[in-house]
Amino acid sequence: SQTIHQWPATLVQPVGSPLSLECTVEGTSNPNLYWYRQAAGRGLQLLFYSVGIGQISSEVPQNLSASRPQDRQFILSSKKLLLSDSGFYLCAWSKGQGRNYGYTFGSGTRLTIV
Amino acid sequence: KNQVEQSPQSLIILEGKNCTLQCNYTVSPFSNLRWYKQDTGRGPVSLTIMTFSENTKSNGRYTATLDADTKQSSLHITASQLSDSASYICVVSAFTGNQFYFGTGTSLTVIP
Repeated sequence: SQTIHQWPATLVQPVGSPLSLECTVEGTSNPNLYWYRQAAGRGLQLLFYSVGIGQISSEVPQNLSASRPQDRQFILSSKKLLLSDSGFYLCAWSKGQGRNYGYTFGSGTRLTIV
Repeated sequence: KNQVEQSPQSLIILEGKNCTLQCNYTVSPFSNLRWYKQDTGRGPVSLTIMTFSENTKSNGRYTATLDADTKQSSLHITASQLSDSASYICVVSAFTGNQFYFGTGTSLTVIP
């Protein structure tokens, strides 16, 4: 069966520090991978999605970036964090185009910028 | 513009009571609609997925309905339990593109 791992679960970082959140998927190949941010009391906002290694689409311009160095690994990064980057970050995967396939979320990372 | 709207924004009910959450969408061409349950501080977990031809789908005490003509869906929770307290998110996908459209969720609190 397929599983998705996301870590760390919680993270407190000072303003201006770098960021690296990692997401990996097991039990499938060539998944579509997604990074979402969920601000308190708000809906999910798509940040990046990837349909293959090295293929990243950005939905929202900001100081975050994403990379996909391996087929089942998706990394969210920042060189200098802002206070506004605080939020709940979710990784998700789907198979193929995702429309008729499962769409599964990771357990999330609570990021607090201080 | 493809949008998903959920109501109510929040809801408080007594344990054992039933409740219904609503989802209206304008996503076109419609492919499928998913309901997720998200516990506080956790990732969303899928409850049901419905395609165009499905009107009703149940998952235990959760029953989802879909009216593709009016572009409305509902999630009915029967005999609520304290563990049902969570945010419920409606997600709609279209046949074109690679995009999922999210509602902002309904926050449900079940009190004893």
